[in-house]
Amino acid sequence: SQTIHQWPATLVQPVGSPLSLECTVEGTSNPNLYWYRQAAGRGLQLLFYSVGIGQISSEVPQNLSASRPQDRQFILSSKKLLLSDSGFYLCAWKLAGVTGELFFGEGSRLTVL
Amino acid sequence: GENVEQHPSTLSVQEGDSAVIKCTYSDSASNYFPWYKQELGKRPQLIIDIRSNVGEKKDQRIAVTLNKTAKHFSLHITETQPEDSAVYFCAASGYGGSQGNLIFGKGTKLSVKP
Repeated sequence: SQTIHQWPATLVQPVGSPLSLECTVEGTSNPNLYWYRQAAGRGLQLLFYSVGIGQISSEVPQNLSASRPQDRQFILSSKKLLLSDSGFYLCAWKLAGVTGELFFGEGSRLTVL
Repeated sequence: GENVEQHPSTLSVQEGDSAVIKCTYSDSASNYFPWYKQELGKRPQLIIDIRSNVGEKKDQRIAVTLNKTAKHFSLHITETQPEDSAVYFCAASGYGGSQGNLIFGKGTKLSVKP
């Protein structure tokens, strides 16, 4: 069966510090991978998606970047965090080429002080 | 691109009553409409979904209806229970490329009072 893991679960970082959130999927190959952000306990905003290694599409301009160095690994990064980057970040995957269920990771809660 | 509007943003019902959450979407090419439930501090999880070739789908106390002409779909929960309390999200997506990405509504916080 397929599983998805993301870490760290919680993170408190000062403004201007770097960020790295990591997500891995097991039990499937060539998944579509996604990063969503949920601010203030509501609203799932799509940040990035990837259909293959090294292929990243950004949905909104922002202070963050994403990378997919391996087929089942998706990383969310920032060089310098802003206060507005605080939120609940969710990695997700779905089968490529079909419309269907999106499976979410456990989430990472980021607080920027 | 796709835009999904969801209302109400909060909904409070008495245990045993029904709850209805409504969503509208903008892209007529969208063909997949899932509903997710998110309990406090946890990940969203799929509870029911419907595709554009179906007008209604039911799973025990939960049902979803779709009106393609009006571009809206609704979640119906009957005989609500306290454990139904959560944030519910609707979403829409179409085929392939960026159109295959799920675009979510802003969520509805449902509170079921015992």
